[in-house]
Amino acid sequence: GENVEQHPSTLSVQEGDSAVIKCTYSDSASNYFPWYKQELGKRPQLIIDIRSNVGEKKDQRIAVTLNKTAKHFSLHITETQPEDSAVYFCAASMTSGTYKYIFGTGTRLKVLA
Amino acid sequence: DGGITQSPKYLFRKEGQNVTLSCEQNLNHDAMYWYRQDPGQGLRLIYYSQIVNDFQKGDIAEGYSVSREKKESFPLTVTSAQKNPTAFYLCASSIVIGTTIYFGEGSWLTVV
Repeated sequence: GENVEQHPSTLSVQEGDSAVIKCTYSDSASNYFPWYKQELGKRPQLIIDIRSNVGEKKDQRIAVTLNKTAKHFSLHITETQPEDSAVYFCAASMTSGTYKYIFGTGTRLKVLA
Repeated sequence: DGGITQSPKYLFRKEGQNVTLSCEQNLNHDAMYWYRQDPGQGLRLIYYSQIVNDFQKGDIAEGYSVSREKKESFPLTVTSAQKNPTAFYLCASSIVIGTTIYFGEGSWLTVV
């Protein structure tokens, strides 16, 4: 079946450095790719998303890139801060009227002060 | 996000009991979802509903039941058949199926 692979599972970076998390999806019909941030004990919150007709999207220190040919998309966080420490989930979805919202397994990001 | 209310936030269940988690949304969303999250793990889909009076099983529906009698409400019952129900339960909704999913604040269920 369809799946989304997410790497790495854990990532530690020094404050101020960049962090990159990568996801690979299997269903070539996927056309929507959101990223969620989940702090400890809280709900996942949408931080950025991208649609298949766009190759890159930026919002301040975060950006997402999409390579449809390779079927992978990545989250980039620049100038990391301690408050960026959380678990990040990617997802791949197909806006087709059926449930095709497949989540990755999550990446635990630790930003070391 | 702010329009999805889950209750209770913390719930304790005795062995053999059924418990019901409430989820209400005022976003006028057609689609609603229930996910289970075990500590340090990802999100697993229990049930989803595209529209009132319709719902579909997700990946781990055994031991759970739902109803969708009103557009704004999607309660989840954890039955005694669910042998290991201790987890964080997240309700979510989206405008229609396949669009951006937004989560409620979650409910912690512990078996005592």
